[in-house]
Amino acid sequence: DGGITQSPKYLFRKEGQNVTLSCEQNLNHDAMYWYRQDPGQGLRLIYYSQIVNDFQKGDIAEGYSVSREKKESFPLTVTSAQKNPTAFYLCASSSPRGTSTEAFFGQGTRLTVV
Amino acid sequence: GENVEQHPSTLSVQEGDSAVIKCTYSDSASNYFPWYKQELGKRPQLIIDIRSNVGEKKDQRIAVTLNKTAKHFSLHITETQPEDSAVYFCAARRDSSYKLIFGSGTRLLVRP
Repeated sequence: DGGITQSPKYLFRKEGQNVTLSCEQNLNHDAMYWYRQDPGQGLRLIYYSQIVNDFQKGDIAEGYSVSREKKESFPLTVTSAQKNPTAFYLCASSSPRGTSTEAFFGQGTRLTVV
Repeated sequence: GENVEQHPSTLSVQEGDSAVIKCTYSDSASNYFPWYKQELGKRPQLIIDIRSNVGEKKDQRIAVTLNKTAKHFSLHITETQPEDSAVYFCAARRDSSYKLIFGSGTRLLVRP
């Protein structure tokens, strides 16, 4: 099913708690991305990674952190510093250097902070 | 920084008519421009893409045009059908950075 898996699908957390969203891909893709989707605001880039042990901030990185210890995994931590964390989070991967540069998305995680 | 603007935010057309969605990008070094379709409750999926060395690309009822000088590109859907109803996103990327930036999306409604 696309080879990129996000878990869980729904996540509820109390305000002030850190929470980690999982993203795993078995497509052997070099690049991985995290986007936040809010109604009417499209897909906003949080972080992206081109290679293991390297990642770059996107447009809305404040209050988030990531790691890329393995090629297959790119977890996102939503920290208590994120002012408005309730949103739909999408992970994607691609292999920009290959013949197919398509980015594949996971099914998303809907995070609700109460 | 890099930015992609997309218009309109919503578009309603009669079945069988054409639909056009336009995007403008700010980074002149961008050289890859994909379009994604997101149906309700589903993940975005690529429908067509174009590289900067090509001015137009077609795939059945879908076409994309690129004007590098003006830094804008457009999605054209002909003979629209109700199943074309979805949110469409444009995006831009330069191969050297891998940074993939999306527009704000267009909600297309095709009326039967």
